[in-house]
Amino acid sequence: AQTVTQSQPEMSVQEAETVTLSCTYDTSESDYYLFWYKQPPSRQMILVIRQEAYKQQNATENRFSVNFQKAAKSFSLKISDSQLGDAAMYFCAYRSVASGSRLTFGEGTQLTVNP
Amino acid sequence: EPEVTQTPSHQVTQMGQEVILRCVPISNHLYFYWYRQILGQKVEFLVSFYNNEISEKSEIFDDQFSVERPDGSNFTLKIRSTKLEDSAMYFCASSVMGAQETQYFGPGTRLLVL
Repeated sequence: AQTVTQSQPEMSVQEAETVTLSCTYDTSESDYYLFWYKQPPSRQMILVIRQEAYKQQNATENRFSVNFQKAAKSFSLKISDSQLGDAAMYFCAYRSVASGSRLTFGEGTQLTVNP
Repeated sequence: EPEVTQTPSHQVTQMGQEVILRCVPISNHLYFYWYRQILGQKVEFLVSFYNNEISEKSEIFDDQFSVERPDGSNFTLKIRSTKLEDSAMYFCASSVMGAQETQYFGPGTRLLVL
């Protein structure tokens, strides 16, 4: 079974600075998808960014980018120019291509943005 | 922008009672999912649904749970006889297709079982 681990329960960053959230995963599969979801205090899960494992190029979405290291099974999220609205719980998630469509989530990292 | 909606936002029920949580997926999506998040814990997959049948379920999704698409827009999760440990946030999600597609989540229903 796949597992996803986020080893940083809490992180903080100054407004306008850059922060990196870590995620590692364990799988025996070669084809899969990885996601970062954001959960603000409203509790709704919002997709931040997605990475296909077959793509070597790291995904970017405006101020959000990932560092995908397939061999190391690492998938970190970098938030540049942090804004107060970025404060939320961030979840890393894995989904297999071959075996079902369920998302497997990590424990989450609570990000605080300080003004 | 289309979004997944869920009702109610909060529900309080007595242990042993039946509850039905409702979701309206994004209109052109074909796959539907339920997840739950017990306070302070990971988000956990419950079930996926496609073409009017369950396509995958987790070990959590036992006989107390059922899902249904009663009409062309709603997708429901029924808990037959609630237990204290069913207290959680329940999220509905939908995707256009299955494995290749991103799942979009609703705002959740907070269920409290007393």
